Amino acid sequence: NAGVMQNPRHLVRRRGQEARLRCSPMKGHSHVYWYRQLPEEGLKFMVYLQKENIIDESGMPKERFSAEFPKEGPSILRIQQVVRGDSAAYFCASSPGVNTGELFFGEGSRLTVL
Amino acid sequence: KQEVTQIPAALSVPEGENLVLNCSFTDSAIYNLQWFRQDPGKGLTSLLLIQSSQREQTSGRLNASLDKSSGRSTLYIAASQPGDSATYLCAVRGESGYSTLTFGKGTMLLVSP
Repeated sequence: NAGVMQNPRHLVRRRGQEARLRCSPMKGHSHVYWYRQLPEEGLKFMVYLQKENIIDESGMPKERFSAEFPKEGPSILRIQQVVRGDSAAYFCASSPGVNTGELFFGEGSRLTVL
Repeated sequence: KQEVTQIPAALSVPEGENLVLNCSFTDSAIYNLQWFRQDPGKGLTSLLLIQSSQREQTSGRLNASLDKSSGRSTLYIAASQPGDSATYLCAVRGESGYSTLTFGKGTMLLVSP
């Protein structure tokens, strides 16, 4: 049973470009969470999604960031017009349901903005 | 707003020592508390999950306790080994609605041979 799969593991973008990060949850999990880890900071919640629904996006920056979890395929975190401050590790986690226990995390995608 | 604090921020011990990592949280209305391990450049590995109704959980050399009313949890590592060197993260999940995890900044542990 594969764990949470994230790709790419490392991504380099120049300022103004777009970054797309993908997350495939564990088999049987329908809930996906995105977190961001800035250097020397703890993990910060960004967005919580179920299939085709955004449940909680209270941690998402108001501009340039968007997330989706389509009926088919992985969840996508999209960052438009990246800036240097977007450089961070972005982690995806999944769970089988609401408040049903553990979150399982992927290896993360490390974005570097030049 | 929930805040999670971990003390100490860093800890260095010789191999074989027993050690305790501390986690405190400001809002006691939690659903569960989870301890994770993070190796440099890697993802998070779940170590122990304590439901709000539980007092402790054990896995091998690890024991985590929870005192919900006082907003505290400890992670006890027995007979530490160099392979235990990592950052340990504490996270709490609120009990209301679709609450998500709030993380502390972690304790960076170094166990020297």
